[in-house]
Amino acid sequence: EDKVVQSPLSLVVHEGDTVTLNCSYEVTNFRSLLWYKQEKKAPTFLFMLTSSGIEKKSGRLSSILDKKELFSILNITATQTGDSAIYLCAVDNAGGTSYGKLTFGQGTILTVHP
Amino acid sequence: DGGITQSPKYLFRKEGQNVTLSCEQNLNHDAMYWYRQDPGQGLRLIYYSQIVNDFQKGDIAEGYSVSREKKESFPLTVTSAQKNPTAFYLCASSILGWYEQFFGPGTRLTVL
Repeated sequence: EDKVVQSPLSLVVHEGDTVTLNCSYEVTNFRSLLWYKQEKKAPTFLFMLTSSGIEKKSGRLSSILDKKELFSILNITATQTGDSAIYLCAVDNAGGTSYGKLTFGQGTILTVHP
Repeated sequence: DGGITQSPKYLFRKEGQNVTLSCEQNLNHDAMYWYRQDPGQGLRLIYYSQIVNDFQKGDIAEGYSVSREKKESFPLTVTSAQKNPTAFYLCASSILGWYEQFFGPGTRLTVL
């Protein structure tokens, strides 16, 4: 059975801290790994990773994939209260032409206090 | 503005009733998806469709049904056979063959 596991499940930090969120996966037909941020309702896309060792960066957020060890990390530096959200990791594990069939992890609830 | 709309935002139903959740997109995306989100369990795929008049079961399709008569619309029916229907339901769409999915604002269904 395909599985995506995120850790920690919840995290409370203060503004200015750096956090690392983890995502490990076991899927039969890996294509890509995606990170989403869910603040209130609709998740919004952060990163897509397909190759090992290549860091994706957007402002204070960065992410990297290790396809040998089957995990990814999402780093957030100098956290702000606006970073408080659920961070979702998903793996595209479809076979054949069924692109976009995602398996999600449980999510990490990040709370940033002022 | 392009996007995905879901209606209603909140829905209350009595046990044993079927209920249909609406999902419409004007992004011209071929692929559409339905997910269920429960606390502490992330998103789980219910059904997805890559083309009009065709759809596939996801991981938790039992007790749900869908139709895809138009490219823009992918309604989800929660039937009385669904044992625990109270949840937050998210609809998404994507360009066929592309990984990024765009999500609607969700419908919170409560069955009393």
